Amino acid sequence: QSALTQPASVSGSPGQSITISCTGTSSDVGGYNYVSWYQQHPGKAPKLMIYEVSNRPSGVSNRFSGSKSGNTASLTISGLQAEDEADYYCSSYTSSSTRVFGTGTKVTVL
Amino acid sequence: EVQLVESGGGLIQPGGSLRLSCVASGFTVSSNYMTWVRQAPGKGLEWVSVIYSGGSTYYADSVKGRFTISRDNSKNTLYLQMNSLRVEDTAVYYCARGDLEKADYWGQGTLVTVSS
Repeated sequence: QSALTQPASVSGSPGQSITISCTGTSSDVGGYNYVSWYQQHPGKAPKLMIYEVSNRPSGVSNRFSGSKSGNTASLTISGLQAEDEADYYCSSYTSSSTRVFGTGTKVTVL
Repeated sequence: EVQLVESGGGLIQPGGSLRLSCVASGFTVSSNYMTWVRQAPGKGLEWVSVIYSGGSTYYADSVKGRFTISRDNSKNTLYLQMNSLRVEDTAVYYCARGDLEKADYWGQGTLVTVSS
């Protein structure tokens, strides 16, 4: 049940696009379309941003998009804004019926 | 309005037990998957457990055999019974509506500190 691998940090200037990767195995990310992405601001509860690889919940900006190729999922934030500065975590269902988070990525808006 | 409120956290000695509660309003706990997630101080998120609407339960390896997820339908409340607590169980514990793949509402969290 090892955590999925994410880059520790990603940064970008306002208006730019950034992409966060989430690498797992064929037993989790690669095996199921149950990859989600969560945003967490300091001291706050996580917020669902993407579910089932590429679906956005109601109310989430269309600047956030998700995709998957093989064992790696990605979250892209386009038109980066100051409010996007936060920690981002991917998650996946696993073949042992457990769930696993990624290691987390700190997004900095320069 | 959907709301989740956790309680029951606190300071506990290693080896002790604690029961966390998550009172839900605006929806029916028993009709939904419900999830517990924790976050150690300064660390990332860790999935802990899920209970299906049908009653099936699943646990992270790190807590299996020590933690038990349950619900009280009459109180619309989710629980996490934590036994044999270890220092490494110190974390903020969050409850959430839904499975982790689509956990759309979260509580504010309750802090559990395991220390002698």
